[in-house]
Amino acid sequence: DTGVSQDPRHKITKRGQNVTFRCDPISEHNRLYWYRQTLGQGPEFLTYFQNEAQLEKSRLLSDRFSAERPKGSFSTLEIQRTEQGDSAMYLCASSLDAGVREKLFFGSGTQLSVL
Amino acid sequence: KQEVTQIPAALSVPEGENLVLNCSFTDSAIYNLQWFRQDPGKGLTSLLLIQSSQREQTSGRLNASLDKSSGRSTLYIAASQPGDSATYLCAVIEDKLIFGTGTRLQVFP
Repeated sequence: DTGVSQDPRHKITKRGQNVTFRCDPISEHNRLYWYRQTLGQGPEFLTYFQNEAQLEKSRLLSDRFSAERPKGSFSTLEIQRTEQGDSAMYLCASSLDAGVREKLFFGSGTQLSVL
Repeated sequence: KQEVTQIPAALSVPEGENLVLNCSFTDSAIYNLQWFRQDPGKGLTSLLLIQSSQREQTSGRLNASLDKSSGRSTLYIAASQPGDSATYLCAVIEDKLIFGTGTRLQVFP
């Protein structure tokens, strides 16, 4: 059990470029969540998957954002045509069960800076 | 819409003090509540999970309580140490976690 892994740890990009982040959950975890956190704030929910199915998307997830979890294993979060307001820490979390009685385990996050 | 508030926003104390961090939420229809620790620039580390049927959980010097009817949870830290310095976040669990804005704790020697 190596924990939730996120790649890259840091990403600096220019406005208008596309970026993609990857999350590898703890093996056999069914649920996978994406959150975004800006400085001084708590994490905000973006979307979550139950296996390969994307069950909910926040209104924060504009059309420029897309998340996938093919085969119910790793997940990717892509941001197209990045804006300076997208600068934030993007956090991934996973949990074992379909229910919400299990702990969520978070990765170390991907820090995005849009110049 | 669920709103989670944490008080105080920041706290600075000398080593050895016992601390109480507060978390309140507006909708009591939650499954569970989870407390996390976050070091600067890092991800979140789970501290305690309290299920809705429980009133408290303990781990080492940490004790968390939950009162669903009043929409409150507290995190008690006994005999604080400089290594406890971090941001502490509470999150209520519905079908996803909804976080408060955190309490930034500094424990000085």
